[in-house]
This record gives sequence, structure tokens and C-alpha cells, in this order.
Amino acid sequence: AAGVIQSPRHLIKEKRETATLKCYPIPRHDTVYWYQQGPGQDPQFLISFYEKMQSDKGSIPDRFSAQQFSDYHSELNMSSLELGDSALYFCASTLGPRGGPDTQYFGPGTRLTVL
Amino acid sequence: AQTVTQSQPEMSVQEAETVTLSCTYDTSESDYYLFWYKQPPSRQMILVIRQEAYKQQNATENRFSVNFQKAAKSFSLKISDSQLGDAAMYFCAYRSAANRDDKIIFGKGTRLHILP
Repeated sequence: AAGVIQSPRHLIKEKRETATLKCYPIPRHDTVYWYQQGPGQDPQFLISFYEKMQSDKGSIPDRFSAQQFSDYHSELNMSSLELGDSALYFCASTLGPRGGPDTQYFGPGTRLTVL
Repeated sequence: AQTVTQSQPEMSVQEAETVTLSCTYDTSESDYYLFWYKQPPSRQMILVIRQEAYKQQNATENRFSVNFQKAAKSFSLKISDSQLGDAAMYFCAYRSAANRDDKIIFGKGTRLHILP
């Protein structure tokens, strides 16, 4: 079965640079979530989109922005990168109404390293 | 706000034995979902098992089963016949069933070692 696709899988950037992470949800899934997992930590929710509209926002820095496109893929844009942004960024997708029973399926993650 | 607590940062179990990972959570909601996710060294987040709060029957998935105690807000994972491939970080997780709040809240994780 098709899974969530994230690209790139690895990304190395310098401080103050920008980065764009992409997420392609499972076909027919209309909801996308972004999570950040720092080294040795649990994943933390950043932001989510449902039907191309932002639906919830967590502890996402103002330097980050995201959107969901008409084909339901999503991009997380990160500017003025800091060392502390080094983390594994997961995208997850699900289908159905908000609060519905559908499970969130996670992509393999993008490992961002900021030097 | 909801919280998830895993009190065992690390555990070890002999191959083929049974191990139980503990998880407690705090919520004022009555309808929600609970999950166990496995994160192996590849760091892929893999769903192990899921429980709907309105279901009294404990979820089971092959060698994995849960003990869901709603009143006690406890959700432990039992792994039977442990295998080397079960070695991973295990995260207990909560998700509200409320209409506008469906982000997943994770515990800090339990690292499980399988001893050959």
C-alpha cells in the first residue's frame, strides 16, 4: 500500500539559510500534520491542514510557515534556520472529518541538520 | 491540557519472554483514542496498536495487546514472545476525538532492549 512520502530524506543547511520540506500524503488523504522530533525527544506537533486550510497550530516558530496545495501535498518552509532547528520532521496524513476515527500514518521523516 | 506519561525510560526483556510497557494519561475528555507507536533505529514511526476509549474490549494485534483501564487512565502495552526486531523506542500517544483538536500528544517514550 502507498505510504506517506517525504522529501528530501536528509537535508543539511547552514545557519540563517532557508529550507523547504515536502510531504505527499497517502492517496485520498485530505489532512496533513507536521511534527518535529528533536534528538532524544518525543515528537511535537507543529501544524496541520485539512482540505487545504490550516486547521490547528502547535508550537511552530514564526520563522516557519506551511501550506497544503490543491493536490493535498504540503510544504513546510523554514527560514533563518537556527542550530536548534536540527531535528527529524515527520509528516502524517489521515482521511476523514476532524476528530474522526482515522489513524494518522507517518512518513519516514526528513532529517534536518543545521550547521 | 492532555498529558501522556511513560515512567519507564528503558526496559530490557529476554528474547521470547513477555514484557509490559506502562503508560498513564491525563484528560478531562470522555472520547479519545490511544496509540502505541514503535520507532526503531531507522526512526520510522510505526503504529503498533490503537484503542478507542469508548470500547471496553482491549485491542489486540498479533503478539501485541493492551490493558486499557479508562477509570485509572492507564494504557499499558504487552508484548508476548519478544523478538529481536521488537527492539525500539515505544511511544504511548493520545488523540482527542473532539471535533477541532486531533493532534497527537506523545509520551517521552520507553526504549526497549531485547536480550538474545
